[in-house]
Amino acid sequence: DVKVTQSSRYLVKRTGEKVFLECVQDMDHENMFWYRQDPGLGLRLIYFSYDVKMKEKGDIPEGYSVSREKKERFSLILESASTNQTSMYLCASSLGQTSGNTIYFGEGSWLTVV
Amino acid sequence: GENVEQHPSTLSVQEGDSAVIKCTYSDSASNYFPWYKQELGKRPQLIIDIRSNVGEKKDQRIAVTLNKTAKHFSLHITETQPEDSAVYFCAAKREYGNKLVFGAGTILRVKS
Repeated sequence: DVKVTQSSRYLVKRTGEKVFLECVQDMDHENMFWYRQDPGLGLRLIYFSYDVKMKEKGDIPEGYSVSREKKERFSLILESASTNQTSMYLCASSLGQTSGNTIYFGEGSWLTVV
Repeated sequence: GENVEQHPSTLSVQEGDSAVIKCTYSDSASNYFPWYKQELGKRPQLIIDIRSNVGEKKDQRIAVTLNKTAKHFSLHITETQPEDSAVYFCAAKREYGNKLVFGAGTILRVKS
């Protein structure tokens, strides 16, 4: 059974703080993703990675960076958190590039920036 | 890039009735269309998917139809039950590529 684990479920951070969201998957998946979920906006892709040390911007990368030093781990970094980054963040992973490779999500990290 | 629109944003049905959620996509190169269900406080999970080489796929009470010419696809849930209440997301993806683009989601409420 695929497992995508997000280390923090609920965080409260202050404006300007640096925030790290960690994600680990145990299925040797090549691809890892960070999405942001907001009501009425669906799931929006922030960044994704298709290999170690590789990353590509998604639709809303501004204010975020990522790190993938090991295949199983993908970190989302908010260099200087702002209140408009209060949201639910979902990590996900999948095999390869071809169609039909199911994306598996983590449980989500609820971030509040005050 | 791909753009996926999903309607309606909320849907209330009586238990036992059918529910239909519709999505349109913009990228004619997209050929994989999954549907995800997210129950309250839980992660989104794949419930059914369809590739562009078929027009319909069914799995018990849920089915998905695809009209590639019109670039739209729909989720059909028959004999709805209270446990079907959730947020449903459609998505679209190209054959070779990593990027799955999601619709905005539909909140389905099944009233008993």
